Amino acid sequence: QSVLTQPPSVSGAPGQRVTISCTGSNSNIGAAYDVNWYQQVPGAAPKILIYGSTDRSSGVPDRFSGSKSGTSASLAITGLQAEDEGDYYCQSYDSSLSGYVFGTGTKVTVL
Amino acid sequence: QVQLQESGPGLVKPSETLSLTCLVSGDSISSYYWTWIRQPPGKGLEYVGDIFYTGSTNYNPSLKSRVSISVDMSKDHFSLNLSSVTAADTAVYYCARVNRGAFDFWGPGALVTVSS
Repeated sequence: QSVLTQPPSVSGAPGQRVTISCTGSNSNIGAAYDVNWYQQVPGAAPKILIYGSTDRSSGVPDRFSGSKSGTSASLAITGLQAEDEGDYYCQSYDSSLSGYVFGTGTKVTVL
Repeated sequence: QVQLQESGPGLVKPSETLSLTCLVSGDSISSYYWTWIRQPPGKGLEYVGDIFYTGSTNYNPSLKSRVSISVDMSKDHFSLNLSSVTAADTAVYYCARVNRGAFDFWGPGALVTVSS
């Protein structure tokens, strides 16, 4: 059972900006643990996009950006492209569970 | 470049033990924590547990009574055992490297089906 909540889906036209929220609690995001974001395309392993809440992983376009505030975090994709379609997951650490936790996942569709 | 590769049986009978191994290349297994993550078909990601080269482990509380992760530094691999499996344990199992709380390198995944 995921402790981080994401919208099931978001969509946008090519070139538009979309955001994905990740809502947690005071035992994970609100406890100042970093949030990391992953992209998963069908049939492949997840790939890290953002680590440390705001830092882009090597080779990730600057169209992707991460932010965090309070008990929530967000991933923004600007200049949406067809290749951005896939599932996106947030991830953090939870002190109550003493382990890592993932978000529920968000499917991004490019219209 | 760090590479990880999962291996093990693709089919396990109910009530038996699921066993997978992750071979690490391109990096020292003693430098990081290493983790197992699973994904049931059509569903989201679930953290299973992780291990340091010293043998120190952390497990998902929901699986703790059935899971065991071990490391073999001489063979540059770490392993997952999940006992008393049911159909609910059918999933793609990924191994990954833990780097400052993020999973930065992943194996391609291994589908394990629990069925008689």
